[in-house]
Amino acid sequence: GESVGLHLPTLSVQEGDNSIINCAYSNSASDYFIWYKQESGKGPQFIIDIRSNMDKRQGQRVTVLLNKTVKHLSLQIAATQPGDSAVYFCAENSGYSTLTFGKGTMLLVSP
Amino acid sequence: SAVISQKPSRDICQRGTSLTIQCQVDSQVTMMFWYRQQPGQSLTLIATANQGSEATYESGFVIDKFPISRPNLTFSTLTVSNMSPEDSSIYLCSVEREGGSQETQYFGPGTRLLVL
Repeated sequence: GESVGLHLPTLSVQEGDNSIINCAYSNSASDYFIWYKQESGKGPQFIIDIRSNMDKRQGQRVTVLLNKTVKHLSLQIAATQPGDSAVYFCAENSGYSTLTFGKGTMLLVSP
Repeated sequence: SAVISQKPSRDICQRGTSLTIQCQVDSQVTMMFWYRQQPGQSLTLIATANQGSEATYESGFVIDKFPISRPNLTFSTLTVSNMSPEDSSIYLCSVEREGGSQETQYFGPGTRLLVL
């Protein structure tokens, strides 16, 4: 289930479960969205992106859903593995190549 | 994706001193950015490093505190000046490259700075 840590909300799942990480964005003019994965001691790693003219995009084991009506973005990870344990950030691009990052969610996967 | 390296990977500095962080990319890129990530927090854009002109700083960040150089299309530096313990953070550079649905940002490994 979800819990709120000192700094980041945390999602704890069992290996093999599907994970859903949510993000609310702020700018209705944002036209491009990205999910990043950040493992401890590393920089953020690009996972998947979506343009505002789409509502769903699939990658390998990951799916991003975009609901522009309520300004909500989600990342679904299928068959979650221990290696998926990390902090996940959504980011929105509202113009001029600059990104605004969400607060992040820590995903903990138990074997 | 781009291969991006940063130096140093980490440092411990005394307050009042300055540290220059380097970011090197394996190929030419137009857009380079510098971010700060405070402990347990998200990423905040400091500035866009423009090649051949002054960097473009975000609200709350000033050139005197965070001078940036961009001498060519593969290299940039960020200096954290007159450091205080509040500057203890991870500093990340990113570049915009082709990937995904459109050009997107890829990040370096970060520089972990602790100011005593």
